[in-house]
Amino acid sequence: GENVEQHPSTLSVQEGDSAVIKCTYSDSASNYFPWYKQELGKRPQLIIDIRSNVGEKKDQRIAVTLNKTAKHFSLHITETQPEDSAVYFCAASLVSTRFGAGTRLTVKP
Amino acid sequence: EAGVAQSPRYKIIEKRQSVAFWCNPISGHATLYWYQQILGQGPKLLIQFQNNGVVDDSQLPKDRFSAERLKGVDSTLKIQPAKLEDSAVYLCASSLITGGPFFGPGTRLTVL
Repeated sequence: GENVEQHPSTLSVQEGDSAVIKCTYSDSASNYFPWYKQELGKRPQLIIDIRSNVGEKKDQRIAVTLNKTAKHFSLHITETQPEDSAVYFCAASLVSTRFGAGTRLTVKP
Repeated sequence: EAGVAQSPRYKIIEKRQSVAFWCNPISGHATLYWYQQILGQGPKLLIQFQNNGVVDDSQLPKDRFSAERLKGVDSTLKIQPAKLEDSAVYLCASSLITGGPFFGPGTRLTVL
């Protein structure tokens, strides 16, 4: 099955800085890549997704890029705010949806 | 639109006991997932259904875990007998054929 690796496992930034989280996937046929934000004690929430026929997608302060040749995709958060602090998960899907191990993002005021 | 419903929200059992979780997906969602999330880890796919059929159960410990999805709607996940390492949050999720998944609130299982 699909294997998704996520880096870094922890990330600390100053408020207003940018944050980048990277993921790689093993199955070149995967065609859908969602990203989730999980706050402490809550369920993962879908924040943005990208399909394999698109190279980049942006939604306000968050963007996702996809490099199919290298089999990696990234989440970019600009102008970070303390409320962005959470654990972020990437996922990859062809038939079934598998998740990365997560990145704990801390935004320091 | 109502979200994914799960019950119970919390369950504490002794090892070797059995337990069952219930999930009702978002109306119209053909795909239903059960994930196990151990503290500090990413969700691990246990089983994925599309309508009544199983799409992927390669990571389901079939000697102790079972799941069914009756009539392509509700689903139950059962553990029998439970082990200490089964302590986790069990997340049910659903989606249309593509997109998502969208998660329910989860069931926190503690095995003593």
